[in-house]
Amino acid sequence: QKEVEQDPGPLSVPEGAIVSLNCTYSNSAFQYFMWYRQYSRKGPELLMYTYSSGNKEDGRFTAQVDKSSKYISLFIRDSQPSDSATYLCAMIGQAGTALIFGKGTTLSVSS
Amino acid sequence: DGGITQSPKYLFRKEGQNVTLSCEQNLNHDAMYWYRQDPGQGLRLIYYSQIVNDFQKGDIAEGYSVSREKKESFPLTVTSAQKNPTAFYLCASSDPGTGIYGYTFGSGTRLTVV
Repeated sequence: QKEVEQDPGPLSVPEGAIVSLNCTYSNSAFQYFMWYRQYSRKGPELLMYTYSSGNKEDGRFTAQVDKSSKYISLFIRDSQPSDSATYLCAMIGQAGTALIFGKGTTLSVSS
Repeated sequence: DGGITQSPKYLFRKEGQNVTLSCEQNLNHDAMYWYRQDPGQGLRLIYYSQIVNDFQKGDIAEGYSVSREKKESFPLTVTSAQKNPTAFYLCASSDPGTGIYGYTFGSGTRLTVV
């Protein structure tokens, strides 16, 4: 079993839809959870950053972490064509190690 | 503006050649990382460095080498021992001493074997 599992999609939705992206993980030591957005041929950019379980909201984006289920989610409300990108989940357990990334989910929002 | 600069943006390598990818940051971050990205494979860790003059192998270090002589710089050499080097290479940095573990990424180098 891989440490982080993420459905690669592709996921296609119409403009204005609510999008749900998810990752599962196996290492209970993970404490910090992130979502990155990557446009084609660009470096990833940090979108959401959460610590431990709970929700965090930033504009149209909401990140959820359920450590008991080892499951994290990113919700995008009122999706826009500019949200079309690959979304990567990432997590880390402790200092001195490196982020573990999911494979990324490719999202396409059509106008 | 602070950030990470990767160069070159595109690089072509002949069989049997070593090539070096540059990564420079002016964020004053202690830690730096190299990842390789292939279609459908996500980001795979090659090497990382928490402090100057120290670095650790990641999951796919074979055929690669790094150095960390300065805090700002973390060059990656792709050696002839790397049998399938064609990929998108990403450099990143972070400042874990602040308790923040998110990375800042560069814009990547696309390496192609010709």
